[in-house]
Amino acid sequence: EVHLVESGGDLVQPGGSLKLSCVASGFSFSTYWMTWVRQAPGKGLEWVANINPDGRQTDYVNSVRGRFTVSRDNAKNSVYLQMNSLRVEDTALYYCVRDVLFGRFDSWGQGTLVTVSS
Amino acid sequence: DVVLTQSPLSLSVTPGQPASISCKSSESLLHTDGKTYLHWYLQRPGQPPQLLMYELSSRFSGVSDRFSGSGSGTDFTLQISRVEAEDVGVYYCMQGLHLKTFGQGTKVEIK
Repeated sequence: EVHLVESGGDLVQPGGSLKLSCVASGFSFSTYWMTWVRQAPGKGLEWVANINPDGRQTDYVNSVRGRFTVSRDNAKNSVYLQMNSLRVEDTALYYCVRDVLFGRFDSWGQGTLVTVSS
Repeated sequence: DVVLTQSPLSLSVTPGQPASISCKSSESLLHTDGKTYLHWYLQRPGQPPQLLMYELSSRFSGVSDRFSGSGSGTDFTLQISRVEAEDVGVYYCMQGLHLKTFGQGTKVEIK
């Protein structure tokens, strides 16, 4: 069974940094694209970033490009999201998601909460 | 950036009745491989989203055949043939061809 477990969410001040982690199990991690999706409180879903299986290709939504960096360690079955220059509007529940192909998100973690506030 | 526009944004349905959600894309989601990369997700209250339909009309494993997806190019529809209580939640369309974009979501409740 596929499991995705996020961690690292916290309360941080505007301008601060945070690194989210997601540990995967139950599948061949190194063969899948991985994605981060976020959901602000009471709002809809927003795709944030993705990374290809070997880690050489990454994509970002415009609002985080240049501030967030997605990476992975296939030896540790883990994907990360380094978030810098955090803004109040980055406050959200961040989900780690497995992408089968072109956005077919078939497995989701439970999410980790990031709150950006002074 | 590709924009997905869902309608309606909320829907109240009597159990056993059909329901339909529209999703319109600002660009075609038809790939040169012949597949349309438009997917549907359901987020039940307090839960992470779950995949319902992928590539326009394929039901994900375990999804009831009461759900069906249709459309082409830029106009898409999710249909529920007979709504049940367990169908309550927010439905999102999502495109995976031009990076990724979600629609605003459609909240479905039971009358």
